[in-house]
Amino acid sequence: QVQLQESGPGLVKPSETLSLTCTVSGGSITSYYWNWIRQPPGKRLEWIGFIYYSGSTDYNPSLKSRVTISVDTFKNQFSLKLNSVTAADTAVYYCAGLGLRKYGMDVWGQGTTVTVSS
Amino acid sequence: EIVLTQSPGTLSLSPGERATLSCRASQSVSSSYLAWYQQRPGQAPRLLIYGTSRATGIPDRFSGSASGTNFTLTISRLEPEDFAVYFCQQYGRSPWTFGQGTKVEIK
Repeated sequence: QVQLQESGPGLVKPSETLSLTCTVSGGSITSYYWNWIRQPPGKRLEWIGFIYYSGSTDYNPSLKSRVTISVDTFKNQFSLKLNSVTAADTAVYYCAGLGLRKYGMDVWGQGTTVTVSS
Repeated sequence: EIVLTQSPGTLSLSPGERATLSCRASQSVSSSYLAWYQQRPGQAPRLLIYGTSRATGIPDRFSGSASGTNFTLTISRLEPEDFAVYFCQQYGRSPWTFGQGTKVEIK
């Protein structure tokens, strides 16, 4: 069974870069579209973007200018970088997988809280 | 961007009752790419329904239906563990979007 684990700093200063990594275990990194999703306090879930193991990506236009998602197939990891962060980027960040047959996002990390504050 | 609007915001019901949750899309969405998730406090979302199919391991008291731009999640008889927040999501057209959620609480 595929499992995901997010890792990265829980506190980021304004204007700096938020960096998170999601480690995939129990399955192949080639079998999913790998997503980053966030949930600001009291707000709805927001899709940030996805990457396929080949490196193809799709990003939410609202964040596209600040986001990079990358994949490391050797380490079975994919990563998120969000630059020039502000307090509005404070959220719980989830990594999640959408299977190639697109039967919903059936695997999620437990989520990691990132706070943007000086 | 496709906006998903869920109603009601909160549903107050008793165990054993039937819950009907609505998700309306601002534009046409392929029903194949509309999913429902359950989120309990402090936990990640859990996939319940994709299209009108139950995800692996989901009890048959959960069902999904679609009519045009209106989508419905039905829980036939609420169990204590079903009191949670439910989200719909469309992933047929980028950017993928989520509804704001419906909280099912114990009456």
